[in-house]
Amino acid sequence: EVQLVQSGAEVKKPGDSLRISCKGSGYTFSTYWIAWVRQLPGQGLEWMGVIYPGDSDTSYSPSFKGHVTLSADESTSTAYLQWTSLKASDSAMYYCARLPGFHYHMDVWGKGTTVTVSS
Amino acid sequence: EVVLTQSPATLSLSPGDRATLSCRASESITGKYLAWYQQSPGQAPRLLIYAASNRATGIPDRFSGSGSGTAFTLTITRLEPEDFAVYYCQQYGSSPPWTFGQGTKVEI
Repeated sequence: EVQLVQSGAEVKKPGDSLRISCKGSGYTFSTYWIAWVRQLPGQGLEWMGVIYPGDSDTSYSPSFKGHVTLSADESTSTAYLQWTSLKASDSAMYYCARLPGFHYHMDVWGKGTTVTVSS
Repeated sequence: EVVLTQSPATLSLSPGDRATLSCRASESITGKYLAWYQQSPGQAPRLLIYAASNRATGIPDRFSGSGSGTAFTLTITRLEPEDFAVYYCQQYGSSPPWTFGQGTKVEI
């Protein structure tokens, strides 16, 4: 079964760093793109960026570029979303999703990771 | 960046009704690269339709997608109780970012 398993909920303070993960299984991880999607509380979906684990090629939304970093580790079939300095406005649900190719839909989704940033 | 506008924001219907959801793009979407996702409360989104009109694996045939260019439609015939959810369109034809619409809530 193809799955994306995301890491657990996080509670952090403003200015903290954080890395959340998304582990793929049931398919060849390095040959599918992984996207990250943010959902603010009670709001819609926002596309953050995408990474190709095979060569770590990335593309970011201008709205998120410079504030988050996408990375991936082929050896553990895991993709990461990282912040170096969290803000309260980063409090949201974050989903990872698989894409069969660059200009493709997101066919498999993780269950999401809740990030809460509060002093 | 391509802006997707979904209408209506909320659709109030009953089980057995037909639902018609609209998604309009600010510019023509290359190659019909448009998807529809369903998000039930407390759940992750689920792919329903890709490339404008192709049902994803396991999606019932009461869901159908159509359209091209700047106008796309998701139709749900004979609403089932589990279909009451929020539906998002997303384009992936342009250069990134691959944007979502703001969503349509289908409620009882």
